[in-house]
Amino acid sequence: GEDVEQSLFLSVREGDSSVINCTYTDSSSTYLYWYKQEPGAGLQLLTYIFSNMDMKQDQRLTVLLNKKDKHLSLRIADTQTGDSAIYFCAETPNTGFQKLVFGTGTRLLVSP
Amino acid sequence: DGGITQSPKYLFRKEGQNVTLSCEQNLNHDAMYWYRQDPGQGLRLIYYSQIVNDFQKGDIAEGYSVSREKKESFPLTVTSAQKNPTAFYLCASRLDRSRYNEQFFGPGTRLTVL
Repeated sequence: GEDVEQSLFLSVREGDSSVINCTYTDSSSTYLYWYKQEPGAGLQLLTYIFSNMDMKQDQRLTVLLNKKDKHLSLRIADTQTGDSAIYFCAETPNTGFQKLVFGTGTRLLVSP
Repeated sequence: DGGITQSPKYLFRKEGQNVTLSCEQNLNHDAMYWYRQDPGQGLRLIYYSQIVNDFQKGDIAEGYSVSREKKESFPLTVTSAQKNPTAFYLCASRLDRSRYNEQFFGPGTRLTVL
């Protein structure tokens, strides 16, 4: 089945690292994604990882993928107040590339 | 500038009325999508279209209708049959030949039923 789960809320202090976690159920997912949504706006693609990779780093962002546990995480180094937003993980299910299945979203609050 | 536009940004409707949300893209993308977002529930797929004049139901299509007469346009009609239409609606598009299969999103329309 297709189900992607995230914790709803994370609060950190400016300058700390943030780790947002996601679990998914479709082990055949080809790509997994992280999207960012700022208040009242659409979703912006932050990064993606191919299923045969364990880690991907892009500036302050590090994505870790544990296929055995079907666990995906996004680490934001040196978190800034501008990083406050909702973060969604998403997968491409086995039914094909036509659809993405999104998690419930994690609201990240960064305090000064 | 290429992108996806949605209009209007805010929409109010009286109960029992149909309303149409606009979505236009000039990215020459093949597929287009409509999602509904409610607090704490993430994004749920309403309808999607792979090519012109063809579309498929998503997970929550009841009470909604779409058309895809042009590649760049994918309007969504929220009908009076939709029992709880107040939500944030997001349109997205995707290029079939994209390497990473990513979807690009519009800014959204917030619909409120009075």
